[in-house]
Amino acid sequence: GQNIDQPTEMTATEGAIVQINCTYQTSGFNGLFWYQQHAGEAPTFLSYNVLDGLEEKGRFSSFLSRSKGYSYLLLKELQMKDSASYLCAVRDSNYQLIWGAGTKLIIKP
Amino acid sequence: IAGITQAPTSQILAAGRRMTLRCTQDMRHNAMYWYRQDLGLGLRLIHYSNTAGTTGKGEVPDGYSVSRANTDDFPLTLASAVPSQTSVYFCASSPGAGGNNEQFFGPGTRLTVL
Repeated sequence: GQNIDQPTEMTATEGAIVQINCTYQTSGFNGLFWYQQHAGEAPTFLSYNVLDGLEEKGRFSSFLSRSKGYSYLLLKELQMKDSASYLCAVRDSNYQLIWGAGTKLIIKP
Repeated sequence: IAGITQAPTSQILAAGRRMTLRCTQDMRHNAMYWYRQDLGLGLRLIHYSNTAGTTGKGEVPDGYSVSRANTDDFPLTLASAVPSQTSVYFCASSPGAGGNNEQFFGPGTRLTVL
């Protein structure tokens, strides 16, 4: 079967750095996405990785290791507005997205 | 520019009733999707359409049907609603089905079936 694993919840302090991990087992791999979802709102796109390595976009970076079936999202200089759920999704061999349950990130002052 | 819209925002429905959730995008995207999101579970794909005139089944299609008569609209119909269909429903669209095409999500419809 297909599986995406992420921690259910994480807590971090404003101004700090947090790393959210995602491991996956899917039938095929055609890219990995990270989305942000604030409570009661729709998911919004953060990043896309298809090759191994780190993709940096401002305060957010995403890393991929295809051989390990592993990705992480790194958030730097945390702000209160970063309190949200972060969703990891893998595009499988049918070009459909398989989604993790999401990691709820709580930012404390 | 509206992007992608959904209607209604929320709905309470009696079991056994028929219900159509509407989704419209003005981005001329080829691909559209319907997901449901339940607490503790990831988004699950119900149905998808890679281009106007075609549709496909996702992970949880039973009890739902879709049509894609044109590029902009992708309605989702529950023929006879059951309580297990209580969920938040998101419609999404993307320029294409593959590559780095991100999916853009509508605001969601919160559906309660009693």
